[in-house]
Amino acid sequence: EPEVTQTPSHQVTQMGQEVILRCVPISNHLYFYWYRQILGQKVEFLVSFYNNEISEKSEIFDDQFSVERPDGSNFTLKIRSTKLEDSAMYFCASLLGQTNTEAFFGQGTRLTVV
Amino acid sequence: DAKTTQPPSMDCAEGRAANLPCNHSTISGNEYVYWYRQIHSQGPQYIIHGLKNNETNEMASLIITEDRKSSTLILPHATLRDTAVYYCIVRVANYGGATNKLIFGTGTLLAVQP
Repeated sequence: EPEVTQTPSHQVTQMGQEVILRCVPISNHLYFYWYRQILGQKVEFLVSFYNNEISEKSEIFDDQFSVERPDGSNFTLKIRSTKLEDSAMYFCASLLGQTNTEAFFGQGTRLTVV
Repeated sequence: DAKTTQPPSMDCAEGRAANLPCNHSTISGNEYVYWYRQIHSQGPQYIIHGLKNNETNEMASLIITEDRKSSTLILPHATLRDTAVYYCIVRVANYGGATNKLIFGTGTLLAVQP
C-alpha cells in the first residue's frame, strides 16, 4: 500500500537554528499538507500546497516557516530560526485531490528545540 | 474550529462492538463526514468516510442519520490495538481549492479493556 514517508523521525536542534523536515508524499497525489501537534494538544493545520504554491496557511505559519517541493517528489517544511515553542510532532499529508478521497498522513517528525 | 462534537472518552470491552458518536449539526450539504484515529503519537490514520449513506469497509462501519446531523462509527469487534483517539471531521471535498484541509478537534479517547 502506498504511504507518506517522513524523515527524520526525530530531530533535536538548538534554538535559533534552521531545520528542514522532509516528506515524500504518495506519488500521484496533488495536494500536500503540513500539520503539527504539540504534546498533549490537538493536531493543528499549518499549510496546504497545490500546483507548486501555497493554497492556504494558518496563523501559525508565519514568516519563519516555508514550504517547497524542490524536485517533484519531496515536500519540505523549513523553519528558519527555531524557537522552544516549535517543539512538536510535525505531520505531512497528501491527498489525491479528486472529490470523495481521503488524505494520508506520514508517521511524523518529532522536533525538539533545546 | 472543528464543526463536530464528540465525547472526550469511552471504554469498550475487548471483542465487543465500539460505537463512537459524533454530532455535526451544522453540516452543509456538500460536506463529508470523515473518521480518523491516532494511536499514541503516530500519524492520523484514515478509517472511513461518507456523505449520506451508511458505509462499511474492512475497518469499520459508518452510520449517518437521515438528517446528517450526527453519525456513529462502529468498530465491530474491538481489540486492544484499537485503543486510540478517534476524530470525527466534516470536510468539503472539492477538486481544487484550499477547502480540502482537515480540521481536527479533540476527538474521543477509546480505551479497549481486556
